[in-house]
Amino acid sequence: GAVVSQHPSRVICKSGTSVKIECRSLDFQATTMFWYRQFPKKSLMLMATSNEGSKATYEQGVEKDKFLINHASLTLSTLTVTSAHPEDSSFYICSASIQGTNEAFFGQGTRLTVV
Amino acid sequence: SQQGEEDPQALSIQEGENATMNCSYKTSINNLQWYRQNSGRGLVHLILIRSNEREKHSGRLRVTLDTSKKSSSLLITASRAADTASYFCATARSGGYNKLIFGAGTRLAVHP
Repeated sequence: GAVVSQHPSRVICKSGTSVKIECRSLDFQATTMFWYRQFPKKSLMLMATSNEGSKATYEQGVEKDKFLINHASLTLSTLTVTSAHPEDSSFYICSASIQGTNEAFFGQGTRLTVV
Repeated sequence: SQQGEEDPQALSIQEGENATMNCSYKTSINNLQWYRQNSGRGLVHLILIRSNEREKHSGRLRVTLDTSKKSSSLLITASRAADTASYFCATARSGGYNKLIFGAGTRLAVHP
């Protein structure tokens, strides 16, 4: 199957700093990628849809100024958690699909810990 | 809520037994997918069933879909300790470009 690479896999940062997470489709182009957030022992909550060349679409309740998404190329979407606080600590996962197919491929996830 | 319901929330069985997990959802769908997640890791796609299908098999996996009841089930036969993981159903709407809405998940523990 197609490969989606997410980096970093783990990051620890101080409160007030910003953290950037990258999501790359390695062997296919993805005009649309999705970002999810997962709390411990909970399910994945869709945060936003990342659209190549245009603004991201955020789900209700997700702060767009807090979670900045940039999809500058057909193989890369980035999620920046700005001015991170301990409550932002979570597991963040991205997904991408090959255009015209139904299967979504997920990155390995990024565990963010804000101290 | 974005999420559908999934039951049971946790399931503990012995190796060799079958495991059945159920999922219900709220909206009309294009397809329903099942994923597996090992602790703290990414998701692995298991199987996709389209809205016009009622049953699908893949190896030891059997998935059913009842669109009238907005529910699906995942059966893992002859379970193994390596099947221990969390299992999630996810639905995609028509034209949703694979924007998936996940169920709450079932944590499966298979004991040797």
